[in-house]
Amino acid sequence: AQSVSQHNHHVILSEAASLELGCNYSYGGTVNLFWYVQYPGQHLQLLLKYFSGDPLVKGIKGFEAEFIKSKFSFNLRKPSVQWSDTAEYFCAVNVPRTGGFKTIFGAGTRLFVKA
Amino acid sequence: ETGVTQTPRHLVMGMTNKKSLKCEQHLGHNAMYWYKQSAKKPLELMFVYSLEERVENNSVPSRFSPECPNSSHLFLHLHTLQPEDSALYLCASSQDRTDTQYFGPGTRLTVL
Repeated sequence: AQSVSQHNHHVILSEAASLELGCNYSYGGTVNLFWYVQYPGQHLQLLLKYFSGDPLVKGIKGFEAEFIKSKFSFNLRKPSVQWSDTAEYFCAVNVPRTGGFKTIFGAGTRLFVKA
Repeated sequence: ETGVTQTPRHLVMGMTNKKSLKCEQHLGHNAMYWYKQSAKKPLELMFVYSLEERVENNSVPSRFSPECPNSSHLFLHLHTLQPEDSALYLCASSQDRTDTQYFGPGTRLTVL
């Protein structure tokens, strides 16, 4: 069965530190890839997405992610985090299946940035 | 962001009650979703509707009953729930089933 794995459940960083959150998926075909973010008290929202083209995609608030097809990975990065980046981050993969498509979410990574 | 709204925002119910959660999307999307978000668990997809037709039911117990009367509205009818059903229930919509999902704020459900 298809799955999405996020390697870190909790990450604690100081402001200005660099961030990389891992995401791997298990599906051999063409996929659409997403990172969503849920700030405290707010709803889930899109951070960035990859459908095709340049495998390095840029999103809001200085985030970027790189799709590496050979590694089935879509890691999220930010060179210098801010306190306001404290949130939960979800990787998601949209895959084709019988009868349509399905989006599978990872378990999420809680990021806490110390001021 | 008021693209997807959910009511009520909080709900406390007993195990014998019947209640409904409502979701409305103002984005002109064709697909709508119900998810369950519990602490320390991945987001669980419950139901998917595409063009008002239910296209996915992820082995959800029959005490949860979805309804999609039109492309803008989605309901989740609840009856004889269990305490373990306490969670945040999220509604989402998307243009189609491959694209970005837009989430509502959720309904925080507590079953006593």
